[in-house]
Amino acid sequence: DADVTQTPRNRITKTGKRIMLECSQTKGHDRMYWYRQDPGLGLRLIYYSFDVKDINKGEISDGYSVSRQAQAKFSLSLESAIPNQTALYFCATSNTGGSNTGELFFGEGSRLTVL
Amino acid sequence: SQQGEEDPQALSIQEGENATMNCSYKTSINNLQWYRQNSGRGLVHLILIRSNEREKHSGRLRVTLDTSKKSSSLLITASRAADTASYFCATDAYGNNRLAFGKGNQVVVIP
Repeated sequence: DADVTQTPRNRITKTGKRIMLECSQTKGHDRMYWYRQDPGLGLRLIYYSFDVKDINKGEISDGYSVSRQAQAKFSLSLESAIPNQTALYFCATSNTGGSNTGELFFGEGSRLTVL
Repeated sequence: SQQGEEDPQALSIQEGENATMNCSYKTSINNLQWYRQNSGRGLVHLILIRSNEREKHSGRLRVTLDTSKKSSSLLITASRAADTASYFCATDAYGNNRLAFGKGNQVVVIP
């Protein structure tokens, strides 16, 4: 079984719909991240969380919200999806590293298409 | 803004040749990391080099870091078809507590 599991893997939806992407991990890591990947733009950070009570905005958080339901679960929501949110979304985890960020472990991605 | 800009963006080489990619960044860092992504898959960590290190090896991978020039290079020696992938550098900037990724380098190894 994968250490970082994302669901759904693929989703097609319509403009204005609410979408939730879920991430769960079995690595026991405190830190969890949501990135989106667009062709030619690399990965951009949406939100990150260092523990259940700690949520932080990344560089492109507008239009997104997150919930850290437990140490192992971190969900990303699009309250009202729009076509430019069409992208490949990745969840990642890392171990606590003090002020340094160590190796990230990625899920397989959730491909979202907004029509 | 994006930390980490890889150059060149796309590279096509014959199997057995070496592949070199470069990454530049703008601010002071704790460490720099390289990742590989096979088409449509999740990223996989390759190697981490700390700001006080200048060179690191892992199997056929060699990474260098020049903090005075704010640049890093990734060398893959004796490339194989299975090395075909996109390669990303990512920087852990001081005080940021998160990684910023570059746009990626697509490498195609021709058998």
